[in-house]
Amino acid sequence: DIQMTQSPSTLSASVGDRVTITCRASQSVSSWLAWYQQKPGKAPKLLIYKASSLESGVPSRFSGSGSGTEFTLTISSLQPDDFATYYCQHYNSYSPTFGQGTKVEIK
Amino acid sequence: EVQLLESGGGLVQPGGSLRLSCVASGFTFSNYAMSWVRQAPGKGLEWVSSIVGSGGSLYYADSVRGRFTISRDNSENTLYLQMNSLRVEDTAVYHCAKHPAPYEILTYYPLWGQGTTVTVSS
Repeated sequence: DIQMTQSPSTLSASVGDRVTITCRASQSVSSWLAWYQQKPGKAPKLLIYKASSLESGVPSRFSGSGSGTEFTLTISSLQPDDFATYYCQHYNSYSPTFGQGTKVEIK
Repeated sequence: EVQLLESGGGLVQPGGSLRLSCVASGFTFSNYAMSWVRQAPGKGLEWVSSIVGSGGSLYYADSVRGRFTISRDNSENTLYLQMNSLRVEDTAVYHCAKHPAPYEILTYYPLWGQGTTVTVSS
């Protein structure tokens, strides 16, 4: 299986900060990568698919980039509603895997 | 409103069985592939199984293959996960998830249910 590794595991930031989360794949997944946001007790919410395509209804402060084995999720100006855990997911094989998550906390 | 609603979770002893259900509404269920994804307490997300819209092709994670069976009843807009020979490590919240297209198995998940909790313990 392809392993997905996110960094950092935890990130402390303030409202208005620019935040970047990295996701690395153990082998190339081309651009078949998605990002999700999850809040406690809630279902994950799709933010980005195909590495850089913004899901309908998701604020434009969220953006994704990368291809191959290295990807980033950027929040251009962190808002109070953005404090959550973020997961990357590859879908390059019949065994999709997720990163371990990055928790964005209030500084 | 497009939504997914899971049920069927509960407490079961190791070696026991459970059947989870996921009722879909607000879209033509038979037109979409579906998946189950689980999340152990305090842990990340793990893909479990997927099924195409017709039910004709099934896919499983190695960790559940041979013990879990995914199925669907398109006349009832319902997705199922039959879980047998349950282990302590199967303890998790189980979410059903809708795919963006009927036969697109290698894909992301634009819609998730809230989940149903399975606890395997003696």
